[in-house]
Amino acid sequence: EAGVTQFPSHSVIEKGQTVTLRCDPISGHDNLYWYRRVMGKEIKFLLHFVKESKQDESGMPNNRFLAERTGGTYSTLKVQPAELEDSGVYFCASSHTPDRLQETQYFGPGTRLLVL
Amino acid sequence: DAKTTQPPSMDCAEGRAANLPCNHSTISGNEYVYWYRQIHSQGPQYIIHGLKNNETNEMASLIITEDRKSSTLILPHATLRDTAVYYCIVRVAKEYGNKLVFGAGTILRVKS
Repeated sequence: EAGVTQFPSHSVIEKGQTVTLRCDPISGHDNLYWYRRVMGKEIKFLLHFVKESKQDESGMPNNRFLAERTGGTYSTLKVQPAELEDSGVYFCASSHTPDRLQETQYFGPGTRLLVL
Repeated sequence: DAKTTQPPSMDCAEGRAANLPCNHSTISGNEYVYWYRQIHSQGPQYIIHGLKNNETNEMASLIITEDRKSSTLILPHATLRDTAVYYCIVRVAKEYGNKLVFGAGTILRVKS
């Protein structure tokens, strides 16, 4: 079974440009999460999809960030325009909840974003 | 979700058991204890979770105290590849899943 995949693995852009990150969850997983770690800080939650619906987007930092999950499969996270403080590692995770008490999130390898 | 407290770092000799403690004194009855780890440059990896009974899988054992205010993750025979940051996370189960709240974790260094 393929794990969570993320693309690209690295991205270097200039301030003011746009970047789109992609996450492909494990097949059949309804839950998809985005997290990020900025330099020197802890991993922080950004948002959570259940299928194509945003269940919780309380962690999104501002309106420069837009996440979509059309069709309930893969998801994209777009940053427009990117700022220096957006640099960090963006992780995607997925899970399914046949038993809601036993949910396990599986993480992708992350996308390393550097804004210059 | 309840807050957890972990030591910032620990060392362990290769081949020995690594015992990583976690305090979660404010845990409530419907909160599970989860352990993840992050090996350098990789995404967080699920290890194990439990509610009140001790749990064991192919990676580790989880010992939860009877009052559930603390737990210990045990790696029975640590190898150099177990060097990572280990996160103890307490979270409430919800119908549509729930975010993980990561702390600083414990940096485990396995030494030969």
